[in-house]
Amino acid sequence: EPEVTQTPSHQVTQMGQEVILRCVPISNHLYFYWYRQILGQKVEFLVSFYNNEISEKSEIFDDQFSVERPDGSNFTLKIRSTKLEDSAMYFCASGSGGGYNEQFFGPGTRLTVL
Amino acid sequence: QQPVQSPQAVILREGEDAVINCSSSKALYSVHWYRQKHGEAPVFLMILLKGGEQKGHEKISASFNEKKQQSSLYLTASQLSYSGTYFCGTSTPGGTSYGKLTFGQGTILTVHP
Repeated sequence: EPEVTQTPSHQVTQMGQEVILRCVPISNHLYFYWYRQILGQKVEFLVSFYNNEISEKSEIFDDQFSVERPDGSNFTLKIRSTKLEDSAMYFCASGSGGGYNEQFFGPGTRLTVL
Repeated sequence: QQPVQSPQAVILREGEDAVINCSSSKALYSVHWYRQKHGEAPVFLMILLKGGEQKGHEKISASFNEKKQQSSLYLTASQLSYSGTYFCGTSTPGGTSYGKLTFGQGTILTVHP
């Protein structure tokens, strides 16, 4: 069964450093998402991506964040200058049809900012 | 504004039933239900669409009251594997719905032998 994959599973970085989180969505999906979950809290939407551009973003997704689909299979989230409060689990998800179809989550990348 | 889930937690014995509710103050386009086990990713269970269509897990049922903007997830004859945190995620109608999900705070379900 096709699944979303993410790398790395755990990333430790120093405050102020740049990180890139990588995702390979399910191959025939057209809608891509990043969500994050701070330990013990609910899942929060960051950004949606469709047709090679950002379609919607939350207030969390400020100028420090960017997304890219560089080669037609990978989908990346970059945080330019990490802060302590960026420590969270970051989930990539993909879906075939926006709000009226299932979204499948990847296993997540745990980001720890020291 | 996030949907509100109730109850916050529920404890069951194997074989018992449970209902988890998800309520929104906004008109909804779809409700998505996920189960998350500790340290793992949310796993898709079911989607309920405005208009009555449902897609999802065969052994789990849910309802969607569009007028009240509420959804309920029904877990019957619970098994140990049902333990986890259940989240509802909602999408709202708009000119272009790209599937942004707003999640509730979660309901912790614990099933004991």
